[in-house]
Amino acid sequence: AQSVTQLDSQVPVFEEAPVELRCNYSSSVSVYLFWYVQYPNQGLQLLLKYLSGSTLVKGINGFEAEFNKSQTSFHLRKPSVHISDTAEYFCAVSALNTDKLIFGTGTRLQVFP
Amino acid sequence: EAGVAQSPRYKIIEKRQSVAFWCNPISGHATLYWYQQILGQGPKLLIQFQNNGVVDDSQLPKDRFSAERLKGVDSTLKIQPAKLEDSAVYLCASSLDLPSGGTNTGELFFGEGSRLTVL
Repeated sequence: AQSVTQLDSQVPVFEEAPVELRCNYSSSVSVYLFWYVQYPNQGLQLLLKYLSGSTLVKGINGFEAEFNKSQTSFHLRKPSVHISDTAEYFCAVSALNTDKLIFGTGTRLQVFP
Repeated sequence: EAGVAQSPRYKIIEKRQSVAFWCNPISGHATLYWYQQILGQGPKLLIQFQNNGVVDDSQLPKDRFSAERLKGVDSTLKIQPAKLEDSAVYLCASSLDLPSGGTNTGELFFGEGSRLTVL
């Protein structure tokens, strides 16, 4: 079975500052990793995904994440955040050859002017 | 391309009443999911359909929850009778199946959700 841990429930940051949202996973098999974003009163939208290959993955809106197999982590980063990045961010994992997503509890990113 | 459609967006009921949610996935997506998202938690899978067959309903509270996808397109999720702890956002998602032998890479497309409040 797979599990996901997002250690930070809330991350406050000022506009134009860098941000890192942490995600650790647990799995006995190889996995795919995802970050989804949920803006207020909207559904989840895929931000980026790691399937294989380069461990540094670039997504939409200037976000990127790095897969670290030894540390079982998939942290999300952005060098300079905007007010519009205020949202809930979910890390998710699925075992290879399945399409069942296991989500973390989410991190609320609050960007202040 | 139209996204995943869900209705109603909001529903308020009293405990022990019943409620139904509807979902229409993206055209051509064979796999449909219902997730429950309780405030402060991540989405939890309730049931997964492939076409009109159930793939996984292991976390569906079958004594009160039911779901169907009779024609392999749209789906309904029903709760009867509702409990206070059922207050949540019910998210529907769909995904595109790859050709035989391929692997679904797990990209789900979500609707905006149906927010249920049970009083």
